[in-house]
Amino acid sequence: SQQGEEDPQALSIQEGENATMNCSYKTSINNLQWYRQNSGRGLVHLILIRSNEREKHSGRLRVTLDTSKKSSSLLITASRAADTASYFCATDAYLASKLTFGTGTRLQVTL
Amino acid sequence: EAGVAQSPRYKIIEKRQSVAFWCNPISGHATLYWYQQILGQGPKLLIQFQNNGVVDDSQLPKDRFSAERLKGVDSTLKIQPAKLEDSAVYLCASSPAGGNIQYFGAGTRLSVL
Repeated sequence: SQQGEEDPQALSIQEGENATMNCSYKTSINNLQWYRQNSGRGLVHLILIRSNEREKHSGRLRVTLDTSKKSSSLLITASRAADTASYFCATDAYLASKLTFGTGTRLQVTL
Repeated sequence: EAGVAQSPRYKIIEKRQSVAFWCNPISGHATLYWYQQILGQGPKLLIQFQNNGVVDDSQLPKDRFSAERLKGVDSTLKIQPAKLEDSAVYLCASSPAGGNIQYFGAGTRLSVL
C-alpha cells in the first residue's frame, strides 16, 4: 500500500518559477527521502531528511519535514525545463531499509 | 561506477504466458529490491534481498511471482502465469548494507495482452 499521498498530482510552471510539492504520510518514520523519475527511466535519489531534522538544503532543493503533521514539502527554486519529471516522497521506518513511496507529483516546466 | 543493470527494457507477452526479468546491482551492494510500478503510481516493493536471503516478500503475489538471488549478486524475477493486471514497469534497486539511499535501474516495461 502507498504510505504517502502527494499534492498536487500535477503541476505546470514556467522556467524560472519555484515549484512546491507536498507529501503526507501515515505512520512514524525514521527518514523521508525525495526521488525524481524522468519519463521511462528509473528513480534518482535527490535528498534525505531524518526525522529529527526540520529543514535541509541541497543546491536548488529545499526540503522541510513536520513530524507532528506527518508531512514534508519539496521546493525547487528557479526551475528549469530539465526539472520536468515525476517526484516521489519515500519513507522508511526505524531499523527497516524498506521504502514506501507516495503517489508522486508530475512536474512540467515550460520555456 | 556502473549503475544497476536491468534487462530486457521492454517485454510484450500474452496472458497466461511466463516472463523473467534480470537485474545486476551495483557491485558490492548487499541489498537488492524489486518494485512494481503501475502507470501513474509510485513504486510498490515486491521483494527485498539481503545478500541471498529474503528480508521482505510480504507484497509478492507468491502464487504467480517468484524471485531468486542465488549467489547474492544478480537476481531474477519471474511471473508465471501472467495476468493483464501485471502490466507495469518492474524496477530493480540496490543499496549498500545498512544504507538508506537506493539506486535504481531503468526498469523493464511489461505489457500483458
